[in-house]
Amino acid sequence: GAGVSQTPSNKVTEKGKYVELRCDPISGHTALYWYRQSLGQGPEFLIYFQGTGAADDSGLPNDRFFAVRPEGSVSTLKIQRTERGDSAVYLCASSSGLAGTSTDTQYFGPGTRLTVL
Amino acid sequence: AQSVTQPDIHITVSEGASLELRCNYSYGATPYLFWYVQSPGQGLQLLLKYFSGDTLVQGIKGFEAEFKRSQSSFNLRKPSVHWSDAAEYFCAVGPISNFGNEKLTFGTGTRLTIIP
Repeated sequence: GAGVSQTPSNKVTEKGKYVELRCDPISGHTALYWYRQSLGQGPEFLIYFQGTGAADDSGLPNDRFFAVRPEGSVSTLKIQRTERGDSAVYLCASSSGLAGTSTDTQYFGPGTRLTVL
Repeated sequence: AQSVTQPDIHITVSEGASLELRCNYSYGATPYLFWYVQSPGQGLQLLLKYFSGDTLVQGIKGFEAEFKRSQSSFNLRKPSVHWSDAAEYFCAVGPISNFGNEKLTFGTGTRLTIIP
């Protein structure tokens, strides 16, 4: 079926505002990941969901960042009180979640480019 | 902590020439290893992956990579590049665990330019 989709593709906001970024994973994938890619850098891990629960949120930079996945499918990354340093491309990936198997590969969406003015 | 080093920030290759992109990793055991490609405005596309077994891995678009445990390397190769190969290439490492494919650690990427 379709790949990972992310909306919006671009988001421009003002410093201090609240934003939500959405990710639709590949159908049937139980694992979902958020990464952040700053200009000229590789993606950096933010948070990983297995089903509805956050299995690892060690990459979230501070408490302004929060993510949910209430029904185990779509996920929303929420950023409060945005700062200029939050400007980056936010990437979402999903995988089958089959533990320790060669099929458990992360497939990435096109990303949301967030610009904080 | 795991880490990935891609020592070449930018490489320029003539169309039809061979290519090798370097990747070194630091990890306590044998990890999962990946190469992804990112074209401008596009998401990351998986080229190939190493989980276990044969250390020479074949991928899409004519790419291959060789895992060398003694050198902690996973270099990407292609015998003859095409203009469409111009993109950013990322090497990544992920832990082997009983909980599936967890977070990936990426290198900073190598930008590949192809000249006629």
